[in-house]
Amino acid sequence: GQSLEQPSEVTAVEGAIVQINCTYQTSGFYGLSWYQQHDGGAPTFLSYNALDGLEETGRFSSFLSRSDSYGYLLLQELQMKDSASYFCAVREGGNTPLVFGKGTRLSVIA
Amino acid sequence: EADIYQTPRYLVIGTGKKITLECSQTMGHDKMYWYQQDPGMELHLIHYSYGVNSTEKGDLSSESTVSRIRTEHFPLTLESARPSHTSQYLCASTTLGGPGELFFGEGSRLTVL
Repeated sequence: GQSLEQPSEVTAVEGAIVQINCTYQTSGFYGLSWYQQHDGGAPTFLSYNALDGLEETGRFSSFLSRSDSYGYLLLQELQMKDSASYFCAVREGGNTPLVFGKGTRLSVIA
Repeated sequence: EADIYQTPRYLVIGTGKKITLECSQTMGHDKMYWYQQDPGMELHLIHYSYGVNSTEKGDLSSESTVSRIRTEHFPLTLESARPSHTSQYLCASTTLGGPGELFFGEGSRLTVL
Protein backbone atom coordinates (compact mmCIF):
# COMPACT_ATOMS: atom_id res chain seq x y z
CA GLY A 1 0.00 0.00 0.00
CA GLN A 2 0.89 3.63 -0.04
CA SER A 3 1.21 6.01 2.89
CA LEU A 4 2.47 9.51 3.52
CA GLU A 5 3.08 10.72 7.06
CA GLN A 6 3.24 14.34 8.09
CA PRO A 7 2.50 16.07 11.41
CA SER A 8 -1.11 17.07 11.84
CA GLU A 9 -0.40 20.47 13.39
CA VAL A 10 2.52 22.87 13.77
CA THR A 11 2.60 26.25 15.50
CA ALA A 12 5.34 28.81 14.93
CA VAL A 13 6.02 32.46 15.68
CA GLU A 14 5.87 35.19 13.08
CA GLY A 15 9.32 35.81 11.62
CA ALA A 16 10.61 32.37 12.58
CA ILE A 17 11.50 29.33 10.47
CA VAL A 18 9.40 26.18 10.42
CA GLN A 19 10.02 22.77 8.87
CA ILE A 20 7.21 20.40 7.91
CA ASN A 21 8.35 16.82 7.40
CA CYS A 22 6.92 14.17 5.15
CA THR A 23 7.85 10.50 5.02
CA TYR A 24 6.41 8.22 2.40
CA GLN A 25 6.01 4.56 1.60
CA THR A 26 4.93 3.98 -1.99
CA SER A 27 5.36 1.28 -4.59
CA GLY A 28 7.11 3.69 -6.94
CA PHE A 29 8.42 7.23 -6.82
CA TYR A 30 8.44 9.93 -9.45
CA GLY A 31 8.63 12.99 -7.23
CA LEU A 32 7.43 14.77 -4.11
CA SER A 33 5.23 17.85 -4.32
CA TRP A 34 3.95 20.34 -1.77
CA TYR A 35 0.65 22.20 -1.83
CA GLN A 36 -0.73 25.01 0.32
CA GLN A 37 -4.40 25.38 1.14
CA HIS A 38 -5.95 28.25 3.06
CA ASP A 39 -9.24 27.69 4.88
CA GLY A 40 -12.07 27.71 2.38
CA GLY A 41 -9.68 27.88 -0.56
CA ALA A 42 -8.29 25.53 -3.17
CA PRO A 43 -4.88 23.86 -2.88
CA THR A 44 -2.11 25.68 -4.73
CA PHE A 45 1.17 24.21 -5.90
CA LEU A 46 4.31 25.23 -3.99
CA SER A 47 7.18 23.01 -5.08
CA TYR A 48 8.33 19.76 -6.64
CA ASN A 49 11.39 17.59 -6.03
CA ALA A 50 12.27 14.70 -8.31
CA LEU A 51 15.94 14.47 -7.33
CA ASP A 52 17.71 14.60 -3.97
CA GLY A 53 18.53 17.99 -2.62
CA LEU A 54 17.08 21.37 -1.89
CA GLU A 55 14.85 23.46 -4.14
CA GLU A 56 14.39 27.10 -3.18
CA THR A 57 11.58 29.41 -4.21
CA GLY A 58 11.64 32.67 -2.31
CA ARG A 59 10.84 32.12 1.36
CA PHE A 60 9.92 28.48 0.72
CA SER A 61 12.35 25.60 0.20
CA SER A 62 11.73 21.91 -0.26
CA PHE A 63 14.14 19.06 0.35
CA LEU A 64 14.13 15.45 -0.76
CA SER A 65 16.12 12.38 0.24
CA ARG A 66 14.99 9.44 -1.87
CA SER A 67 17.16 6.96 0.04
CA ASP A 68 15.35 7.92 3.25
CA SER A 69 11.91 8.27 1.62
CA TYR A 70 11.77 11.65 3.29
CA GLY A 71 11.24 15.24 2.40
CA TYR A 72 10.45 18.51 4.09
CA LEU A 73 9.08 21.94 3.37
CA LEU A 74 10.94 24.83 4.96
CA LEU A 75 9.22 28.16 5.44
CA GLN A 76 11.37 31.12 6.41
CA GLU A 77 10.48 34.58 7.71
CA LEU A 78 7.04 33.34 8.61
CA GLN A 79 4.14 35.68 8.01
CA MET A 80 0.60 35.51 9.36
CA LYS A 81 -0.64 34.78 5.85
CA ASP A 82 1.36 31.52 5.89
CA SER A 83 -1.22 30.08 8.30
CA ALA A 84 -2.73 27.32 6.18
CA SER A 85 -2.69 23.57 5.62
CA TYR A 86 0.28 22.10 3.79
CA PHE A 87 0.06 18.80 1.94
CA CYS A 88 2.86 16.64 0.64
CA ALA A 89 2.04 14.46 -2.35
CA VAL A 90 3.84 11.70 -4.18
CA ARG A 91 3.56 10.52 -7.75
CA GLU A 92 4.16 6.76 -7.82
CA GLY A 93 4.41 6.37 -11.56
CA GLY A 94 5.15 8.56 -14.53
CA ASN A 95 1.50 8.97 -15.34
CA THR A 96 -0.34 8.06 -12.13
CA PRO A 97 -2.41 10.39 -9.95
CA LEU A 98 -0.84 12.17 -7.02
CA VAL A 99 -1.24 10.55 -3.61
CA PHE A 100 -1.71 13.22 -0.91
CA GLY A 101 -0.73 13.15 2.73
CA LYS A 102 -3.29 14.10 5.37
CA GLY A 103 -1.96 17.62 5.63
CA THR A 104 -0.25 19.72 8.29
CA ARG A 105 -2.12 22.67 9.71
CA LEU A 106 0.34 25.52 10.32
CA SER A 107 -0.63 28.26 12.71
CA VAL A 108 1.55 31.37 12.74
CA ILE A 109 1.23 33.38 15.94
CA ALA A 110 2.40 36.87 16.80
CA GLU B 1 -3.56 32.15 -12.54
CA ALA B 2 -5.29 28.84 -13.17
CA ASP B 3 -8.11 28.78 -15.69
CA ILE B 4 -10.23 26.05 -14.19
CA TYR B 5 -13.79 26.72 -13.17
CA GLN B 6 -16.31 24.87 -11.08
CA THR B 7 -20.03 25.44 -10.77
CA PRO B 8 -21.96 25.65 -8.59
CA ARG B 9 -19.74 26.93 -5.79
CA TYR B 10 -22.39 26.10 -3.20
CA LEU B 11 -25.36 23.76 -3.44
CA VAL B 12 -27.93 22.63 -0.89
CA ILE B 13 -30.26 19.87 -2.03
CA GLY B 14 -32.56 17.22 -0.63
CA THR B 15 -31.90 13.52 -0.39
CA GLY B 16 -32.55 11.56 -3.58
CA LYS B 17 -31.94 14.41 -5.99
CA LYS B 18 -29.70 14.03 -9.01
CA ILE B 19 -26.97 16.63 -9.31
CA THR B 20 -24.14 17.42 -11.68
CA LEU B 21 -21.09 19.37 -10.64
CA GLU B 22 -19.46 21.13 -13.57
CA CYS B 23 -15.73 21.55 -14.16
CA SER B 24 -14.15 23.26 -17.13
CA GLN B 25 -10.58 24.25 -17.91
CA THR B 26 -9.24 26.38 -20.73
CA MET B 27 -5.60 25.30 -20.49
CA GLY B 28 -5.87 22.35 -22.87
CA HIS B 29 -4.87 19.92 -20.14
CA ASP B 30 -5.32 16.22 -20.84
CA LYS B 31 -5.44 15.04 -17.23
CA MET B 32 -8.39 15.97 -15.04
CA TYR B 33 -9.31 14.84 -11.53
CA TRP B 34 -12.08 14.99 -8.97
CA TYR B 35 -11.19 15.02 -5.27
CA GLN B 36 -13.48 14.95 -2.26
CA GLN B 37 -12.38 16.86 0.83
CA ASP B 38 -14.08 17.46 4.16
CA PRO B 39 -13.04 20.70 5.94
CA GLY B 40 -9.51 20.44 7.32
CA MET B 41 -9.12 16.88 6.12
CA GLU B 42 -7.18 15.06 3.43
CA LEU B 43 -8.00 14.96 -0.26
CA HIS B 44 -9.52 11.74 -1.56
CA LEU B 45 -9.27 10.97 -5.27
CA ILE B 46 -12.65 9.80 -6.59
CA HIS B 47 -12.28 9.96 -10.39
CA TYR B 48 -9.72 10.90 -13.00
CA SER B 49 -9.32 11.09 -16.75
CA TYR B 50 -6.31 11.16 -19.05
CA GLY B 51 -8.17 12.35 -22.09
CA VAL B 52 -11.38 12.26 -24.06
CA ASN B 53 -13.39 9.06 -23.48
CA SER B 54 -10.98 7.99 -20.73
CA THR B 55 -12.23 7.78 -17.13
CA GLU B 56 -10.96 5.87 -14.09
CA LYS B 57 -12.13 5.45 -10.52
CA GLY B 58 -9.92 6.67 -7.74
CA ASP B 59 -9.14 5.30 -4.31
CA LEU B 60 -12.30 6.45 -2.58
CA SER B 61 -15.38 4.39 -3.23
CA SER B 62 -17.90 6.74 -4.71
CA GLU B 63 -21.44 6.54 -5.99
CA SER B 64 -20.73 9.27 -8.49
CA THR B 65 -19.99 9.00 -12.20
CA VAL B 66 -18.00 11.16 -14.59
CA SER B 67 -17.73 11.68 -18.32
CA ARG B 68 -15.09 13.19 -20.59
CA ILE B 69 -16.62 13.96 -23.95
CA ARG B 70 -14.57 17.11 -24.49
CA THR B 71 -11.03 17.86 -23.35
CA GLU B 72 -12.04 20.94 -21.43
CA HIS B 73 -15.07 19.53 -19.62
CA PHE B 74 -15.20 16.92 -16.83
CA PRO B 75 -18.59 16.86 -15.06
CA LEU B 76 -19.33 14.78 -11.95
CA THR B 77 -22.82 13.37 -11.45
CA LEU B 78 -24.55 11.99 -8.36
CA GLU B 79 -27.64 10.06 -9.42
CA SER B 80 -29.22 10.07 -5.96
CA ALA B 81 -27.67 12.35 -3.37
CA ARG B 82 -27.48 11.29 0.27
CA PRO B 83 -26.40 13.17 3.43
CA SER B 84 -23.14 11.18 3.37
CA HIS B 85 -22.29 12.99 0.12
CA THR B 86 -22.09 16.29 1.98
CA SER B 87 -18.55 17.51 1.32
CA GLN B 88 -16.41 19.75 -0.83
CA TYR B 89 -15.61 18.52 -4.32
CA LEU B 90 -12.45 19.82 -5.95
CA CYS B 91 -11.67 19.53 -9.64
CA ALA B 92 -8.06 19.71 -10.86
CA SER B 93 -6.15 19.43 -14.11
CA THR B 94 -2.60 19.10 -15.36
CA THR B 95 -0.60 18.31 -18.48
CA LEU B 96 0.68 14.87 -19.39
CA GLY B 97 4.25 14.29 -18.25
CA GLY B 98 6.43 16.82 -16.43
CA PRO B 99 6.26 17.53 -12.71
CA GLY B 100 2.53 17.40 -12.91
CA GLU B 101 1.62 20.57 -11.10
CA LEU B 102 -2.09 20.31 -10.36
CA PHE B 103 -4.28 23.34 -10.94
CA PHE B 104 -7.36 23.27 -8.74
CA GLY B 105 -10.73 24.88 -9.16
CA GLU B 106 -12.31 26.78 -6.26
CA GLY B 107 -14.43 23.78 -5.35
CA SER B 108 -18.12 22.95 -5.07
CA ARG B 109 -19.44 22.73 -1.55
CA LEU B 110 -22.37 20.31 -1.47
CA THR B 111 -24.82 19.92 1.40
CA VAL B 112 -27.42 17.16 1.20
CA LEU B 113 -30.27 17.46 3.66
